[in-house]
Amino acid sequence: NAGVTQTPKFRVLKTGQSMTLLCAQDMNHEYMYWYRQDPGMGLRLIHYSVGEGTTAKGEVPDGYNVSRLKKQNFLLGLESAAPSQTSVYFCASSPLIQETQYFGPGTRLLVL
Amino acid sequence: GNSVTQMEGPVTLSEEAFLTINCTYTATGYPSLFWYVQYPGEGLQLLLKATKADDKGSNKGFEATYRKETTSFHLEKGSVQVSDSAVYFCALSEGSSYKLIFGSGTRLLVRP
Repeated sequence: NAGVTQTPKFRVLKTGQSMTLLCAQDMNHEYMYWYRQDPGMGLRLIHYSVGEGTTAKGEVPDGYNVSRLKKQNFLLGLESAAPSQTSVYFCASSPLIQETQYFGPGTRLLVL
Repeated sequence: GNSVTQMEGPVTLSEEAFLTINCTYTATGYPSLFWYVQYPGEGLQLLLKATKADDKGSNKGFEATYRKETTSFHLEKGSVQVSDSAVYFCALSEGSSYKLIFGSGTRLLVRP
């Protein structure tokens, strides 16, 4: 039982490049979330999903897209990376009717 | 909208000292409240939670009581250890999709 895993662990992009961050969970959780963590700002919700095939915007969705084609996977895409997207990205999941979220180890992204 | 405010860090203590990290919130309704901990280089882990007023969450010697009258959820520990050095996040759960609203985090450094 690996819990929540994220790939890659670290990535450097040039401005304008695209990439996809992958989150996978093996706990059969319904809900999945993508957050970004910036110094002094805690974690802010980018997008979330309440089930396979559904996605919704969070607090800071601009510049990101997501997809949840399979229940266990939640992908976060950056179509045209900007330096403001330099951050640590965390994925989390939670089961139905339980508010505890389980977090992955994070992906550190540097956009030059 | 809902929000969480935490005391600024870092908090530096000697081993066996008493710890308090203040957290206050603004919310409509009756959210659940959480403390998450992030050890260096890792993702967030749930430390404790409380789901209704006057509930006390506890784990690993840490405690926090859900105070509706003061809209607070302060984290306390009677005797900290070096291994407690980490960043602590207060959060509340929002809505039926259980989105988390985080405070900015408080870094705790415990010296031997």
